[in-house]
Amino acid sequence: GQQVMQIPQYQHVQEGEDFTTYCNSSTTLSNIQWYKQRPGGHPVFLIQLVKSGEVKKQKRLTFQFGEAKKNSSLHITATQTTDVGTYFCAVPSNSGYALNFGKGTSLLVTP
Amino acid sequence: DGGITQSPKYLFRKEGQNVTLSCEQNLNHDAMYWYRQDPGQGLRLIYYSQIVNDFQKGDIAEGYSVSREKKESFPLTVTSAQKNPTAFYLCASSIGQASYEQYFGPGTRLTVT
Repeated sequence: GQQVMQIPQYQHVQEGEDFTTYCNSSTTLSNIQWYKQRPGGHPVFLIQLVKSGEVKKQKRLTFQFGEAKKNSSLHITATQTTDVGTYFCAVPSNSGYALNFGKGTSLLVTP
Repeated sequence: DGGITQSPKYLFRKEGQNVTLSCEQNLNHDAMYWYRQDPGQGLRLIYYSQIVNDFQKGDIAEGYSVSREKKESFPLTVTSAQKNPTAFYLCASSIGQASYEQYFGPGTRLTVT
């Protein structure tokens, strides 16, 4: 299936610092989804981006889809301890019926 | 409450035994998925089903089997042919194609010794 590279693999920040994770694809994407998985939990859908250059905000979270629709980012402003978890991007597989997930970025926030 | 249930939460088996993981949803979703999660590997697709009585292999289907006899149920069997079965298994469902969000169950952590 289509592969998506996600970086960094880990990020450790102090509470109040910003955080960004990136997903990159070698091919043009029809859409990209973002999920969050808390430690010991299951992935939960955050958002889907569809349009070129799209920017969506959810409180302190800002999601961007690149102009070429080959990359995306998730930025968290002023992290809180509740932001701890692993953030995954996911893109449609070649079949169009399943998702291929990035390997995720694990965020640790220390107070 | 609507959602996806997986049971059991923890499962222990001896090597050489087949084991079946349960996944049930009452969201009336057509599509269901099984993923395997290992540390640092993200989620890898094992099998998926778009409709009752039909399913397709994902990226790592070897050593696994599924059935989809009912819309709400998609059990996964981990066979003795799976070389490294110890992992966290997640079931998910969605309305349909990959453009729709997926809803995940709480997962089953399988340990084979």
